[in-house]
Amino acid sequence: GAVVSQHPSRVICKSGTSVKIECRSLDFQATTMFWYRQFPKQSLMLMATSNEGSKATYEQGVEKDKFLINHASLTLSTLTVTSAHPEDSSFYICSAPRSDRESTQYFGPGTRLLVL
Amino acid sequence: QKEVEQDPGPLSVPEGAIVSLNCTYSNSAFQYFMWYRQYSRKGPELLMYTYSSGNKEDGRFTAQVDKSSKYISLFIRDSQPSDSATYLCATGRGSGTYKYIFGTGTRLKVLA
Repeated sequence: GAVVSQHPSRVICKSGTSVKIECRSLDFQATTMFWYRQFPKQSLMLMATSNEGSKATYEQGVEKDKFLINHASLTLSTLTVTSAHPEDSSFYICSAPRSDRESTQYFGPGTRLLVL
Repeated sequence: QKEVEQDPGPLSVPEGAIVSLNCTYSNSAFQYFMWYRQYSRKGPELLMYTYSSGNKEDGRFTAQVDKSSKYISLFIRDSQPSDSATYLCATGRGSGTYKYIFGTGTRLKVLA
């Protein structure tokens, strides 16, 4: 099956620092990637759509200056949580659609962020 | 009304039971329907993918879509303790490059 990786798998940082999370499609190219956030025992909340070569599209209520997205290549998208605060602690998951197959989304393993 | 409704459970069944997981959705424009399995602290794993109405079977898993009633189901036969996870339904207007709407997930526990 399709493989999407994320790095790091977990990160602990101090309040006020910035954290970068990478999402890579390992065996296919993805012009679009999605970033989700998931709180404990809750569903996935779409944060933004990352588009290769253009600006990301953010969902309502998601601060674009807080969550910076860069889709640098056809296999890499990064999410940077700037000036992180404890309320940003969450599970961040990316997904990428594979257009040459079922054209559905495949998810990365997620990144657990804890801001102290 | 949420676009996708799913009972959060938890649902506990004995090993070997047939499990029925369900979602309803509100937008008749949705054409793509997925079921994902998510183990604790892991990313969701695609289980089933269907387009429009009908049934799809893969091993012990069967997905059903009834567009007339806007109802989607996942059946798990001969359930195993390893099936214990959260099951998320998802739907969307278009293929994978479109936004999906996810249900809240149903937590399933299969007891040995």
